[in-house]
Amino acid sequence: AQSVTQLDSHVSVSEGTPVLLRCNYSSSYSPSLFWYVQHPNKGLQLLLKYTSAATLVKGINGFEAEFKKSETSFHLTKPSAHMSDAAEYFCVVSDRGRNNQGGKLIFGQGTELSVKP
Amino acid sequence: DAGVIQSPRHEVTEMGQEVTLRCKPISGHDYLFWYRQTMMRGLELLIYFNNNVPIDDSGMPEDRFSAKMPNASFSTLKIQPSEPRDSAVYFCASSPQTPDTGELFFGEGSRLTVL
Repeated sequence: AQSVTQLDSHVSVSEGTPVLLRCNYSSSYSPSLFWYVQHPNKGLQLLLKYTSAATLVKGINGFEAEFKKSETSFHLTKPSAHMSDAAEYFCVVSDRGRNNQGGKLIFGQGTELSVKP
Repeated sequence: DAGVIQSPRHEVTEMGQEVTLRCKPISGHDYLFWYRQTMMRGLELLIYFNNNVPIDDSGMPEDRFSAKMPNASFSTLKIQPSEPRDSAVYFCASSPQTPDTGELFFGEGSRLTVL
């Protein structure tokens, strides 16, 4: 069965410094992986997705993530943090079956990103 | 374009009362999802519909919970009777594609507090 682990529950960075939010996944088949962002008192918004094409995926607001099969990782990065990036970030894996059929999304526990001035 | 619309945004009720949460998906989206978010359990899928038909309700906690989708533009999640442990933020999401594509559009949530 697929699962996803976000290695940090909270990350704090200074404005203008790089962001790294870590995610490891477990999957028996070809996974699809996603990052979602949730700003305070708002719904979740898709940041980016990986679906077996290019391993480096670019998303909105300058974020990107790299799929590394050998490390079973899908870390989210951004070169320079902005105050507006403060939010909770969720790593998500698609629960595909043996026949690579569509399934449910499995959400990580979330990483709260704080950005200091 | 209007996104997913949920109501009420906040609900405070007493244990034993009936709670009804409402959702209007994005027009043209064939899939509708109900999620529950708590600190302890994170984001949990309760049920999802395809073309108004419930496809997977395995996440519905118990018989006190029920969900309906009478037409393509409206869905409800009902809790009867409500209990304090039902306190959570309930999200509705819709998608034009199958769930595994991951492209869900979320509403802003309904925050439920059961006293």
